[in-house]
Amino acid sequence: GQQLNQSPQSMFIQEGEDVSMNCTSSSIFNTWLWYKQDPGEGPVLLIALYKAGELTSNGRLTAQFGITRKDSFLNISASIPSDVGIYFCAGQNVGNQFYFGTGTSLTVIP
Amino acid sequence: KAGVTQTPRYLIKTRGQQVTLSCSPISGHRSVSWYQQTPGQGLQFLFEYFSETQRNKGNFPGRFSGRQFSNSRSEMNVSTLELGDSALYLCASSLPGGDSPLHFGNGTRLTVT
Repeated sequence: GQQLNQSPQSMFIQEGEDVSMNCTSSSIFNTWLWYKQDPGEGPVLLIALYKAGELTSNGRLTAQFGITRKDSFLNISASIPSDVGIYFCAGQNVGNQFYFGTGTSLTVIP
Repeated sequence: KAGVTQTPRYLIKTRGQQVTLSCSPISGHRSVSWYQQTPGQGLQFLFEYFSETQRNKGNFPGRFSGRQFSNSRSEMNVSTLELGDSALYLCASSLPGGDSPLHFGNGTRLTVT
């Protein structure tokens, strides 16, 4: 099935650094979602975006719904060791179908 | 509010066998979706059920089937298991309609030997 283009594929950063990742699609979406998945667990919803241009924060996380409705980004400020995991974006189209990015693996070096 | 519950957490089967996985959605969520997650393919959509009816279906062979009960609980069945079916199977529930994100369970890790 369709997958979103998510980048970067992996990141290795020092604790305290900021992180940025993004997702792009050739199709427009009505909703953008960001999830984090820890090993052996299911994805956990971090942020949901419902409107083009919307900028939403959840603690140190900030995500934006692109104006074109074809992209979204997630920023993590002042990273800490527990931020380690795989981050997925997901888009929901007008038919209520969800499409997922390939994931960004984040490693935080203390 | 309890989250999405999937059972069992781990399963080991041999080729040719069949398997049934179970999912209990968040209370009040009537839409249940199933995904297969593998390192190489990422999250692949299997199917979605709403009000006991399959609403959407991904590109998986007919060996993969599912159903939903009147209490919104769902089961997924895989028959004639193949080695390539080894994966993490995730169930997600949501409220029907738009503006309702998916909430995932912790998955069932299926290993086919």
